[in-house]
Amino acid sequence: AQKITQTQPGMFVQEKEAVTLDCTYDTSDPSYGLFWYKQPSSGEMIFLIYQGSYDQQNATEGRYSLNFQKARKSANLVISASQLGDSAMYFCAMRGSRGGYQKVTFGIGTKLQVIP
Amino acid sequence: SQTIHQWPATLVQPVGSPLSLECTVEGTSNPNLYWYRQAAGRGLQLLFYSVGIGQISSEVPQNLSASRPQDRQFILSSKKLLLSDSGFYLCAWSVAVGSNQPQHFGDGTRLSIL
Repeated sequence: AQKITQTQPGMFVQEKEAVTLDCTYDTSDPSYGLFWYKQPSSGEMIFLIYQGSYDQQNATEGRYSLNFQKARKSANLVISASQLGDSAMYFCAMRGSRGGYQKVTFGIGTKLQVIP
Repeated sequence: SQTIHQWPATLVQPVGSPLSLECTVEGTSNPNLYWYRQAAGRGLQLLFYSVGIGQISSEVPQNLSASRPQDRQFILSSKKLLLSDSGFYLCAWSVAVGSNQPQHFGDGTRLSIL
């Protein structure tokens, strides 16, 4: 079974500073994908960044980067130069290869608040 | 480009009433389709997913059901709503194959049961 663990229910960061949101995972699938989503207070889920289990380099998308440590089964999201608009819930998710990549497992999320 | 539509945006229903939430996707064929429920301040609970017309997989036992009458249409239903069915319901689609394919979500439906 797949499992995603996000141990930080809430985080605060000063505007313009960097912040790391933690995510650990557990799976027996030989290949898998890891995703981060942002959910503002309005409710929509926004895809941010993807990391493949066989990718040699950490993924980056603008101010978002993923610190992927496969041996530790962690996929932490790093947001650089935080902005007020980054205040939201952030979810880590995994899509495994078992069953044809059909299912996606989400963590319980981390609420990030950016302080001016 | 692909778009996903989910409606209604908000719904207030009495206990015991029926439910029908609809989700449609445009601009892609044979997508995987998903229904999630999110309780207030919680993560996403996968309710159903579908890999094709008429093919529904249920993840949790409940009084909800799902149907996929057309390739890009996914419907969440209930014959009799319970108080515990309150929550935020999200529909999502993804490309069918590949671990690198993200899910794309609709705007969600806030369901309140009175």
